Amino acid sequence: QKEVEQDPGPLSVPEGAIVSLNCTYSNSAFQYFMWYRQYSRKGPELLMYTYSSGNKEDGRFTAQVDKSSKYISLFIRDSQPSDSATYLCAMSAGAQKLVFGQGTRLTINP
Amino acid sequence: DAGITQSPRHKVTETGTPVTLRCHQTENHRYMYWYRQDPGHGLRLIHYSYGVKDTDKGEVSDGYSVSRSKTEDFLLTLESATSSQTSVYFCAISKQGADTEAFFGQGTRLTVV
Repeated sequence: QKEVEQDPGPLSVPEGAIVSLNCTYSNSAFQYFMWYRQYSRKGPELLMYTYSSGNKEDGRFTAQVDKSSKYISLFIRDSQPSDSATYLCAMSAGAQKLVFGQGTRLTINP
Repeated sequence: DAGITQSPRHKVTETGTPVTLRCHQTENHRYMYWYRQDPGHGLRLIHYSYGVKDTDKGEVSDGYSVSRSKTEDFLLTLESATSSQTSVYFCAISKQGADTEAFFGQGTRLTVV
């Protein structure tokens, strides 16, 4: 079993829809949770960062962490075609290793 | 963009030949990482470095070695390339470790024929 599970999709939604992306994990030591966005043929870039449990909002993006369920989510409101990318969850228990999910390929249709 | 340069950006090599990929940073970050990205597997850590001459293995280190003789350079070597090492390789850097933001390079697309 992988430490981090993420549905690879692909996920296709119309412009303006609310998008929900999710990851589950098995390592209860994870405390740092991140979402990276990766455009085609580019390196990933950090989108959201959360420490421990709770919600974090940044513009149209909201990250949620539920440590009791070992489940994290990323919500995108008012989705735009420019949001079309692969979204990777990532998590860490400390300084040494960052573990990534498989990535979900998202397409926003105009 | 974070100052990370990977070279080469594309390479085709033959099975059994040695290959070295280079990652160069201008940010003076302590941590440097090598990942490979494959369909169905996401990003997997090969090796990482937490300082000059300080390196450690990741989850898929077999067949790979690394060296870091200067803060700014992190080299990944495939001693004898195999077709299973065909992949996209990403270098990443972070200031303080995996609990802080990682900045990624543009990737190296390696094909072993």
